[in-house]
Amino acid sequence: DSGVTQTPKHLITATGQRVTLRCSPRSGDLSVYWYQQSLDQGLQFLIQYYNGEERAKGNILERFSAQQFPDLHSELNLSSLELGDSALYFCASSTHATGGETQYFGPGTRLLVL
Amino acid sequence: AQKITQTQPGMFVQEKEAVTLDCTYDTSDQSYGLFWYKQPSSGEMIFLIYQGSYDEQNATEGRYSLNFQKARKSANLVISASQLGDSAMYFCAMREGRGIKAAGNKLTFGGGTRVLVKP
Repeated sequence: DSGVTQTPKHLITATGQRVTLRCSPRSGDLSVYWYQQSLDQGLQFLIQYYNGEERAKGNILERFSAQQFPDLHSELNLSSLELGDSALYFCASSTHATGGETQYFGPGTRLLVL
Repeated sequence: AQKITQTQPGMFVQEKEAVTLDCTYDTSDQSYGLFWYKQPSSGEMIFLIYQGSYDEQNATEGRYSLNFQKARKSANLVISASQLGDSAMYFCAMREGRGIKAAGNKLTFGGGTRVLVKP
């Protein structure tokens, strides 16, 4: 158990819908990262938040947005969902924003868009 | 160009034997970090081992060791005394740069190597 929690574990929805994925980092971690794992794209970095502020952005679609709240939990919002958004979405956390320390991953949310 | 290359899509290994998983990387940064993660069929990503670019010694964590060859830009994972529970996907990842000028702390992953341990 990494100490990072994600809810829900599974999500099935229809095209055009909007969903919210939630992540709670490990106790004491200030940075939260979101990654997408799909069959065709592999594991890709989406976005990083550090202590409530956006820190780095990767290949995140405009239909996707994220935020980190004062209690440090984070939410990833996916809207106007398409079939290709079906993937495993991971949240990871680390203590700081940079410095190379290890990112610990949550169990993931498996999203299926029908 | 791919930043992290894992050339072995899949491997079989006999239980109790050692296995080496290849990883080569491409970066122009002097400071970077290399990570290995394990993903069992249940889906979670489990951190295994870390090697910093300035670390002089190869990293070891229990049965896992990292064969770091900086000049060749390779960071191969060695699993000794394989167990049935080692059957999983293994991902090599890199974090480039460090410090306040680094663009965050994002990881770039390779395509993974699937390992199947045979009894």
